[in-house]
Amino acid sequence: GDSVTQMEGPVTLSEEACLTINCTYTATGYPSLFWYVQYPGEGLQLLLKATKADDKGSNKGFEATYRKETTSFHLEKGSVQVSDSAVYFCALSDYSSASKIIFGSGTRLSIRP
Amino acid sequence: KAGVTQTPRYLIKTRGQQVTLSCSPISGHRSVSWYQQTPGQGLQFLFEYFSETQRNKGNFPGRFSGRQFSNSRSEMNVSTLELGDSALYLCASSLAGEAGYTFGSGTRLTVV
Repeated sequence: GDSVTQMEGPVTLSEEACLTINCTYTATGYPSLFWYVQYPGEGLQLLLKATKADDKGSNKGFEATYRKETTSFHLEKGSVQVSDSAVYFCALSDYSSASKIIFGSGTRLSIRP
Repeated sequence: KAGVTQTPRYLIKTRGQQVTLSCSPISGHRSVSWYQQTPGQGLQFLFEYFSETQRNKGNFPGRFSGRQFSNSRSEMNVSTLELGDSALYLCASSLAGEAGYTFGSGTRLTVV
């Protein structure tokens, strides 16, 4: 079945460092891809999404490009802030069942001032 | 506009009891999904309701059930609670089931 694999955490960076969180997926169809973020004690917030190959999702300085050839959707940010500390989830949903989102295991990101 | 609202935020129940969680989707959204989040299993899909009908279902036992009302509000019920049911239960909604659901803050259920 469909699945998502993302890099293990925790990831600790200094403020203003560059961030990359790797994510690869396995899917039989043409999924939509997402990054969700979860702050302590909160639910999930949709950070960005891409619905077809070569699409780039972006939001709040974060970017991810839907790479069908490498089945990847890596999250990147050029300069992280302390406020970016959270758990990040890569996810996919199939076009025929958009409600059934399959999540990766999450990557905890901590930013030092 | 208001987001997805889940009540209550926290709940403590005893093993063997049953519990009902509530979710109010964003106004106008007709698709509501439920997820269970645990440290061991991560985020797992429970079920989706659209226009009062269950449209998708995950791999959970029949103790987990749900329903949706005509105003799109949804409830999730867990009967005969087990210790392993302790989790954060998240509700999400979208207009008609398209990609990119909006999640609520969750209900944290603790079973003792």
